[in-house]
Amino acid sequence: GESVGLHLPTLSVQEGDNSIINCAYSNSASDYFIWYKQESGKGPQFIIDIRSNMDKRQGQRVTVLLNKTVKHLSLQIAATQPGDSAVYFCAENIQGNTPLVFGKGTRLSVIA
Amino acid sequence: DTGVSQDPRHKITKRGQNVTFRCDPISEHNRLYWYRQTLGQGPEFLTYFQNEAQLEKSRLLSDRFSAERPKGSFSTLEIQRTEQGDSAMYLCASSAGQGGQPQHFGDGTRLSIL
Repeated sequence: GESVGLHLPTLSVQEGDNSIINCAYSNSASDYFIWYKQESGKGPQFIIDIRSNMDKRQGQRVTVLLNKTVKHLSLQIAATQPGDSAVYFCAENIQGNTPLVFGKGTRLSVIA
Repeated sequence: DTGVSQDPRHKITKRGQNVTFRCDPISEHNRLYWYRQTLGQGPEFLTYFQNEAQLEKSRLLSDRFSAERPKGSFSTLEIQRTEQGDSAMYLCASSAGQGGQPQHFGDGTRLSIL
């Protein structure tokens, strides 16, 4: 399949290690944030979301941290697996109803 | 599979031809979005609907592009007189339309202009 994000920043991690992917968002008015995972030839897949009234949210093996002061979002993946290899995008919008604005993606490469 | 479905998955056409793509959203979702994605970039918003009403169009959506959602269910995106710069992945997403609900994406239609 076609590669998504041929010239994106790349994060390489050893299998089993934790991964941290960072994102700076642009709009101070944004109050809803989503992380997506995109594999080659597929559409973005929802991972986890967070609202601006929270600064941390945990899912299965994933944690999202939100720092509104510096407009920064991070995605932490615990015990990274080869199946986690993909391009990761953060996205923002207002009240979950407006079109999403996507950040620059990061390619995660897991070394077995 | 009850996710967002897009058809066709791939479309190759000559410059100047018209193309039409279809999106079937998740059945209970009343909001439907179209995005375009080029290599190395995140998706960029094109237009969106709430039920059958088209609520917003991006400045990226030139007058050669038109989208419809006639019955508030599936949607079509048509590009007339295609140009080389139209080559991209066209993604559709849907959401429940309530505050703080994520958009779920289909796997897109890859358009290649010869």
